[in-house]
Amino acid sequence: GAGVSQTPSNKVTEKGKYVELRCDPISGHTALYWYRQSLGQGPEFLIYFQGTGAADDSGLPNDRFFAVRPEGSVSTLKIQRTERGDSAVYLCASSFTGSTEAFFGQGTRLTVV
Amino acid sequence: SQQGEEDPQALSIQEGENATMNCSYKTSINNLQWYRQNSGRGLVHLILIRSNEREKHSGRLRVTLDTSKKSSSLLITASRAADTASYFCATDKYGGSQGNLIFGKGTKLSVKP
Repeated sequence: GAGVSQTPSNKVTEKGKYVELRCDPISGHTALYWYRQSLGQGPEFLIYFQGTGAADDSGLPNDRFFAVRPEGSVSTLKIQRTERGDSAVYLCASSFTGSTEAFFGQGTRLTVV
Repeated sequence: SQQGEEDPQALSIQEGENATMNCSYKTSINNLQWYRQNSGRGLVHLILIRSNEREKHSGRLRVTLDTSKKSSSLLITASRAADTASYFCATDKYGGSQGNLIFGKGTKLSVKP
C-alpha cells in the first residue's frame, strides 16, 4: 500500500477485555515497530520486528502485551485483560532494513473504560 | 523511560518568523531524528543527522547536533501556518537495536497567520 495502515483507528473496550490492533506496513519494508503514546508525551517504544521475528521486545510493559508478525508483513499487537492505564494511541511504523527512517501509520486510539 | 527533553514545551510565533526548538538526550547515539506530528496521530519523518555530522539542511529546516553537549536544535525558517504541529526528536541508543527509538516529549509549535 501507499503508507502504513492501522486498524481500527479507534477502539473502545471495557476493562478486562482482550483487544487486537492491526498494522499493515509499507510493502517491502522488512522492519516493523510498535510504539505507544500517552497524552502529552512522546511515543514510547514497545517492540521491533525484523521479518517475522521480534528483534527487540524490551519495551513491552508486561506479559499482557504480545505482538506477532507471522508472515513478515502484517503485525498484530495483542493486549490481554486491558486496564484503564493501557489507554493511549498505539502507533505502528515500518522501514527498510538498515534504515532508521521510520514511516508511521495514523495510529489506533485505544480507550479502556 | 524517555531519553531527553525538547524545549520549549510550547512555542507561538507569527507567520514568517523563524522557530527554533532544542532537544537534549542522555546516552551516546548513532543518529538523531526529528519528526512532526499533527493532531496527535501519525508522525512524519523530517530529517536525520548522524552522530559524526554537525549540521544538516533540508528545505526550510536546519538541524544541528552537538554530541559533546548531547543536544540538537531544529530551526524552521520563514514559518507558515501549516508548520503548526508538535515536533519530536528521537535518538537511537549507540549499540542498541535499530528500531528502539527514544522520543522526547515534544515541542508544540503554533504559527499564527
